[in-house]
Amino acid sequence: DTGVSQDPRHKITKRGQNVTFRCDPISEHNRLYWYRQTLGQGPEFLTYFQNEAQLEKSRLLSDRFSAERPKGSFSTLEIQRTEQGDSAMYLCASGQVGGVNNEQFFGPGTRLTVL
Amino acid sequence: AQKVTQAQTEISVVEKEDVTLDCVYETRDTTYYLFWYKQPPSGELVFLIRRNSFDEQNEISGRYSWNFQKSTSSFNFTITASQVVDSAVYFCALSEFTGNQFYFGTGTSLTVIP
Repeated sequence: DTGVSQDPRHKITKRGQNVTFRCDPISEHNRLYWYRQTLGQGPEFLTYFQNEAQLEKSRLLSDRFSAERPKGSFSTLEIQRTEQGDSAMYLCASGQVGGVNNEQFFGPGTRLTVL
Repeated sequence: AQKVTQAQTEISVVEKEDVTLDCVYETRDTTYYLFWYKQPPSGELVFLIRRNSFDEQNEISGRYSWNFQKSTSSFNFTITASQVVDSAVYFCALSEFTGNQFYFGTGTSLTVIP
């Protein structure tokens, strides 16, 4: 399978714990995006990387959220001191600069439940 | 500010009927991209189409067609002869030309009744 993969698919945690999600993009893609989707809403853009550079992070929801893409391949999204309001689906997408006009390919998402 | 509005929250149609999903957007940019995505019950977003702002030609792909009207800032999506497999949530999205940020609408949930 050469699509975008995310791990884990589901995460249940207690309030106050830290969680980390991983995204593996399509291998030749140099752009990687993170979104949050809550029930009944569209994906909400959080941040994106071009190669290892995080070019946009102003829309990360709070300083509890951080993302990395250390080698320009996979990326991690960390949420520190989770709150019940963080419960959502976290989506990753990848794309290619100069590719098919900003098309993004989405992964299956990680569903986070904060108890 | 960038914004995408999908006023139709839920639509139900009987199989073989045509259905149009509305999308209205706001942007200060003169060049931008518009997209439609499908999110079936399985949850994974599926790309349907991209349109850039300087190409107002309508597009048809099988039973799907899109009508882009810059004058009204609309990018509507029509499914002809709907099928049960079309049941999903459909999202309209807007991106800056650089692809730095994407803005999604709240989605329209389409149910096709057999």
